[in-house]
Amino acid sequence: EAQVTQNPRYLITVTGKKLTVTCSQNMNHEYMSWYRQDPGLGLRQIYYSMNVEVTDKGDVPEGYKVSRKEKRNFPLILESPSPNQTSLYFCASSLRRQRTYEQYFGPGTRLTVT
Amino acid sequence: QKEVEQNSGPLSVPEGAIASLNCTYSDRGSQSFFWYRQYSGKSPELIMFIYSNGDKEDGRFTAQLNKASQYVSLLIRDSQPSDSATYLCAVNTGFQKLVFGTGTRLLVSP
Repeated sequence: EAQVTQNPRYLITVTGKKLTVTCSQNMNHEYMSWYRQDPGLGLRQIYYSMNVEVTDKGDVPEGYKVSRKEKRNFPLILESPSPNQTSLYFCASSLRRQRTYEQYFGPGTRLTVT
Repeated sequence: QKEVEQNSGPLSVPEGAIASLNCTYSDRGSQSFFWYRQYSGKSPELIMFIYSNGDKEDGRFTAQLNKASQYVSLLIRDSQPSDSATYLCAVNTGFQKLVFGTGTRLLVSP
């Protein structure tokens, strides 16, 4: 089954304790992206990756890191989480297309930082 | 001005009616437009995309695009209670970058 998976689905942590949220896709998609979703603010892009070893900042990259060592995986790293990073996080992937650009989302990770 | 604007709703329609969801965008260079449905606590699910002016139909869903007015809409015919969700408009403002609106909540009452 074609899918994007994320782990963990739920995480409660404390300020300053490093964490990693994993994302994996089995569709051989070149493009992957991380979003956070907050009430009233909608989905905002954190980082994206055009392909292996190619990453770039989205709209809200502060406090986050990513890596793309393999095509299928795109982990999101919070080196020193803070309470304002409490949010619902989504990973997404898509094929590189000229005009249509259909992103497929993972199930989400709900992160709480106390 | 936000790049992609949607009325937050809720938009309430009775079962069987047509639901009309609207979205405006600010970047005239935008090339493709997407509608995602998101049930509470779930991930966004792509339901339609459109990149040419006019209408595009898929089952009960019709996407409408007017680039001159910078306006895209989604019509849902014969609305069902299972259509109750938040509908996100997304705009491709450049290569591989999607900007999302904050979504319109739709409530379909039996």
